[in-house]
Amino acid sequence: EIVMTQSPATLSVSPGERATLSCRASQSVSSNLAWYQQKPGQPPRLLIHGASTRATGIPARFSGSGSGTEFTLTISSLQSEDFAVYYCQQYNNWPYTFGQGTKLEIK
Amino acid sequence: EVQLVESGGGLVQPGRSLRLSCAASGFTFEDYAMHWVRQAPGKGLEWVSGISGNSGTIGYADSVKGRFTISRDNAKNSLYLQMNSLRVEDTALYYCVKDIDAFDIWGQGTMVTVSS
Repeated sequence: EIVMTQSPATLSVSPGERATLSCRASQSVSSNLAWYQQKPGQPPRLLIHGASTRATGIPARFSGSGSGTEFTLTISSLQSEDFAVYYCQQYNNWPYTFGQGTKLEIK
Repeated sequence: EVQLVESGGGLVQPGRSLRLSCAASGFTFEDYAMHWVRQAPGKGLEWVSGISGNSGTIGYADSVKGRFTISRDNAKNSLYLQMNSLRVEDTALYYCVKDIDAFDIWGQGTMVTVSS
């Protein structure tokens, strides 16, 4: 099983600033990496797939990068609606696995 | 509108069974793999099981292997999860998810509570 490790567990950032979230895989997942955003009481929403492709309707301030074992999600200028929990997921091999999540909170 | 609607959750005693269903609409169901993902209260996401469009490929998390069975009925645009020998640690919100490689569409989930 591929283990996905996200850092940090909690990130405190002020609105308008940049946020950088990291995800590491225990072995290569190529570019088969997705990022999801989850707000309280809601299902996760797909933000990024293929490590760097924004899903339909996702604003351009969200960007993903990386391949192999190291990945990054960047939110260029935080809006109030961006404060949420973010998960990475590898879909290179079953069992698909998720990171433990990064909580992005208002500083 | 693409939509997934789960049903079948509830309160069940340890060791008992439950069958979850997911009704899909707004897309050609048979063309896509489908999955179940769960989330225990206050915890992260855990992939449970997946099934290819023609049911030829099926996978399970180790935590449910031998106890849960995934299936689908393409004629009814429906996905199922038969859960046997339920444990307290299976308590979670169970999501039905559509697969485009990543998971692009999620249902609202159905809550399963395993407790005596």
